[in-house]
Amino acid sequence: GESVGLHLPTLSVQEGDNSIINCAYSNSASDYFIWYKQESGKGPQFIIDIRSNMDKRQGQRVTVLLNKTVKHLSLQIAATQPGDSAVYFCAENMAGGSYIPTFGRGTSLIVHP
Amino acid sequence: NAGVTQTPKFQVLKTGQSMTLQCAQDMNHEYMSWYRQDPGMGLRLIHYSVGAGITDQGEVPNGYNVSRSTTEDFPLRLLSAAPSQTSVYFCASSYITGTTNIQYFGAGTRLSVL
Repeated sequence: GESVGLHLPTLSVQEGDNSIINCAYSNSASDYFIWYKQESGKGPQFIIDIRSNMDKRQGQRVTVLLNKTVKHLSLQIAATQPGDSAVYFCAENMAGGSYIPTFGRGTSLIVHP
Repeated sequence: NAGVTQTPKFQVLKTGQSMTLQCAQDMNHEYMSWYRQDPGMGLRLIHYSVGAGITDQGEVPNGYNVSRSTTEDFPLRLLSAAPSQTSVYFCASSYITGTTNIQYFGAGTRLSVL
């Protein structure tokens, strides 16, 4: 099976709410994690990344949290906007691997105005 | 700076036909890769390249060939199209440093095989 997966395939929120998208990974050797956003009809776009020596990293309106103990990753989006509606993928890279990340299945975020 | 450019955007093939999906990047990235995306699934790696003249298989390589004669171009060839190859195909190039590995994706090629 996939070593990277998502708990919820679809997440619906109201505009202005905070959104949390979760991701589980199974390979303890993974040392680098990336979140991508894919809007309808487009290719995935980099949002934020985090290395395994960090627990938290913040960007503009987004925060990624990493819990290595339970192999869990989350993406928090503050004050969600309709433009945030998209599919969000987490991806992992393993130390000593091919530098090509493994992608999870994706979560669809729907923001209602 | 165009980034990653994929052509064509749409294509319809008949079973047994062959074709080449084009991918070009202008960022001087060493790493390039091809993925397919099927409904409800994530991105599955078909082939990848770590530099000109070097390619390797990914998770689902059967029915596809690649070559990398230049840093800029990484075409994907379908040898004999099958309905199971109906999918959206994404090409990506990677900027890798000692601490980051960020992929830049093209807009995709939507392929239907009848």
